[in-house]
Amino acid sequence: EVQLVESGGGLVKPGGSLRLSCAASGFSFNAAWMNWVRQVPGKGLEWVGRIKSKLSGETRDYAAPVTGRFTISRDDSKSTLYLQMNSLEIDDTGVYFCAWQTDFGGRLGFWGQGTQVSVSS
Amino acid sequence: DVVMTQTPLSLSVTPGQPASISCKSSQSLLYSDGKTYLYWYVQKSGQSPHLLIYEVSSRSSGVPERFSGSGSGTDFTLKISRVEAEDVGVYYCMQTIHLPWTFGQGTKVEIK
Repeated sequence: EVQLVESGGGLVKPGGSLRLSCAASGFSFNAAWMNWVRQVPGKGLEWVGRIKSKLSGETRDYAAPVTGRFTISRDDSKSTLYLQMNSLEIDDTGVYFCAWQTDFGGRLGFWGQGTQVSVSS
Repeated sequence: DVVMTQTPLSLSVTPGQPASISCKSSQSLLYSDGKTYLYWYVQKSGQSPHLLIYEVSSRSSGVPERFSGSGSGTDFTLKISRVEAEDVGVYYCMQTIHLPWTFGQGTKVEIK
């Protein structure tokens, strides 16, 4: 059974940092392309970024609002995806989901349950 | 960025009646490989989103036949042939042909 379990969310002040983790099981994580998607209060879903597998060059792509502040990484030995969030802003508040991209086209076939990030002074 | 515009933003439907959601993209979602990278997701209250439809019209595993997707280029539609109570949620279209990937604003489906 595929499982994606996020952790690491919490309350942080503007300008602060957080690192989210997504523990994966039930599939070949080392071959997987993984994504982060967030849900901002009062708005909908926003794609944050993606990391390809090592075999595909571990290329990273990001949405413009987080470029330069957020970094996606992975530890295939631990089947874990990370999102390092620096210089956090109030607008970064939301629920962060990791999602397994199950084909090259962009199908997000499996999602975690999400972790809440709150940025407030 | 590709803008995805959904209409309506909310929908109240009598059980057993059909429902339709439109999604229009600001650029064509047809890729050079002949595929169109348009997806539909639903998020039910308190849950994470899950995939309903991929590449415009293919139902994801386990999705009931009453859900169907259609469209091409920049205009797409999600239809529910006969709405059931369990279909309540927020429906999102998403494109993955152009970076950054973008979602529609979401359409909230409620039961009358």
